Amino acid sequence: KNQVEQSPQSLIILEGKNCTLQCNYTVSPFSNLRWYKQDTGRGPVSLTIMTFSENTKSNGRYTATLDADTKQSSLHITASQLSDSASYICVVSGGNAGNMLTFGGGTRLMVKP
Amino acid sequence: DSGVTQTPKHLITATGQRVTLRCSPRSGDLSVYWYQQSLDQGLQFLIQYYNGEERAKGNILERFSAQQFPDLHSELNLSSLELGDSALYFCASSAADSPAAYEQYFGPGTRLTVT
Repeated sequence: KNQVEQSPQSLIILEGKNCTLQCNYTVSPFSNLRWYKQDTGRGPVSLTIMTFSENTKSNGRYTATLDADTKQSSLHITASQLSDSASYICVVSGGNAGNMLTFGGGTRLMVKP
Repeated sequence: DSGVTQTPKHLITATGQRVTLRCSPRSGDLSVYWYQQSLDQGLQFLIQYYNGEERAKGNILERFSAQQFPDLHSELNLSSLELGDSALYFCASSAADSPAAYEQYFGPGTRLTVT
């Protein structure tokens, strides 16, 4: 069964600190992996998308890594800001049924001043 | 602003009623996806349309249906509403029919409250 597990479920950090969010998946065959940021009550916004051959990708203070061998990805946020408070969703595409998307449950990040 | 529009923003209705949610995709995008997000839950894929035709189905209830019109806007119809249908409903669009190949752009969502 295709699954995407994210950890931790929630995280509280102080402004200016770094943090790393984890994503483990069992989707096979693998097509690509995406990280989305979702502010409360708003639609998700794409941060990065990585294919099998990419093992790191940055978008400003966000850096995603991918280890396709261990089927793990991480999202590292540097020098956190209050506006980083949101849910971060890992989405993996692939699977035997075709290029469907499997969504993780998300990590809810709160950045405190 | 993703370029995807959804109306209405909020909808409050009673159990047993029927509602229609509307989505206009980004200019040029042919695929429309519908998702449901219940309180503190992850996104659940409901259904995808590509250029007017149903392309993929997820966990969509029989009480729910959707269609995509020639101008590419889409409507999600929810009938015989139950309290558990209260959720945020998101529409997303992408350029092609494969959800894996192209970026999906999400709309702002419609918040449905069933009382």
